[in-house]
Amino acid sequence: AQKVTQAQTEISVVEKEDVTLDCVYETRDTTYYLFWYKQPPSGELVFLIRRNSFDEQNEISGRYSWNFQKSTSSFNFTITASQVVDSAVYFCALDWYSGGGADGLTFGKGTHLIIQP
Amino acid sequence: NAGVTQTPKFQVLKTGQSMTLQCAQDMNHEYMSWYRQDPGMGLRLIHYSVGAGITDQGEVPNGYNVSRSTTEDFPLRLLSAAPSQTSVYFCASSSPGNTIYFGEGSWLTVV
Repeated sequence: AQKVTQAQTEISVVEKEDVTLDCVYETRDTTYYLFWYKQPPSGELVFLIRRNSFDEQNEISGRYSWNFQKSTSSFNFTITASQVVDSAVYFCALDWYSGGGADGLTFGKGTHLIIQP
Repeated sequence: NAGVTQTPKFQVLKTGQSMTLQCAQDMNHEYMSWYRQDPGMGLRLIHYSVGAGITDQGEVPNGYNVSRSTTEDFPLRLLSAAPSQTSVYFCASSSPGNTIYFGEGSWLTVV
């Protein structure tokens, strides 16, 4: 069985601070895919990143960076110099099949990030 | 290119009523799925389909029915609505190895 744990229910920081969202996963599969999605107050799900289990390189996209560590089964997400527009609920998700969600994604419960001006 | 389209966006039902949430995608994706989102629970998989004519149950299938007669459409039917089905519903589609696209969500209230 697969499981995704986002232990931080809510995080509140002041604008321009760096913040890291934690994601720990469990799976017996050797090939799997990890995702991060953003859900702003408007409610839609915005895709941020997909990473397969064979690629442990960290990734940086602007102010966003992701740290994937198979040894600790973690896929953490860092926002540098946070902005008010980053306020949202962030979900980490896991897929074992093909990375295309054939049999659905397993989601964590989400972390509500509040950026205060 | 409309992507994944869900209708209706908002719906209020009375207990016992039935209804269908529509989901359509215009990207010729093989995979489609339905999730529900409840406060503090994240998204949970209801049903999924890997192609026309093929469906299967996810984590929380009870009270819901699906069919996939075409590649484009994957409707979700509530057979007899219950207050416990008050939730936000998301449809998703994808093709193997590619990005998973979500619809904008359907807010359902059962009174």
